[in-house]
Amino acid sequence: QVQLVQSGPELKKPGASLKVSCKGVGYIFTDYFLHWVRQAPGQGLEWIGWINPQSGDTKYAQNFQGWVAMTRDLSISTVYMEVISLRADDTAVYFCARGPRIMGGSTGLDPWGRGTVVAVSS
Amino acid sequence: EIVLTQSPATLSVSPGERATLSCRASQSVGRNLAWYQQKPGQAPRLLIFDASGRATGIPARFSGSGSGTDFTLTISSLEPDDFAVYYCQQRTNWPGTWTFGQGTKVEVK
Repeated sequence: QVQLVQSGPELKKPGASLKVSCKGVGYIFTDYFLHWVRQAPGQGLEWIGWINPQSGDTKYAQNFQGWVAMTRDLSISTVYMEVISLRADDTAVYFCARGPRIMGGSTGLDPWGRGTVVAVSS
Repeated sequence: EIVLTQSPATLSVSPGERATLSCRASQSVGRNLAWYQQKPGQAPRLLIFDASGRATGIPARFSGSGSGTDFTLTISSLEPDDFAVYYCQQRTNWPGTWTFGQGTKVEVK
């Protein structure tokens, strides 16, 4: 069964950094892009970016360039997203989701992880 | 950056009725559009890929149509489990940048 297993909840102070993980299970990890999406309380979905686990190439939404970094560890089929200089409005649920096949695939993210709850508060 | 505008923001429908949700792109996205369903406290679930392809396990009452800038998600006969928030999402170029619409909440009338 294909699934994405995310790390647990985080409580951070403003100005701190955050690193959340997402482990791919049940499929060939290097065959698919991996995306990150966040959702602030009561708000809609916001796309953050993707990583190509095979090459390590990344693409970030303009709003996140310069303070988000995605990396991967192929030995444990895991991708990481680091966010620096956290602010209160970074409080959100952060989801990872499997993207299309790297060799060419459809537009859609499936499946999704359960989400990592991140709270930023002093 | 391409902006997706969903309408209406809230749709009040009775069970058994048809629901039609709209997603409009600020410029053409071809058929590079997906639809998701999200229920409170849950991750989104992919319903439709590439504008009209039904994802695995999605009931036939869900259908997607459109291309270019105008897209529609239709739920032919609403069931109690279908009351949720629905998002569209587009991809620009390959593998490109992706954006979401702001969502449409389908509620019980």
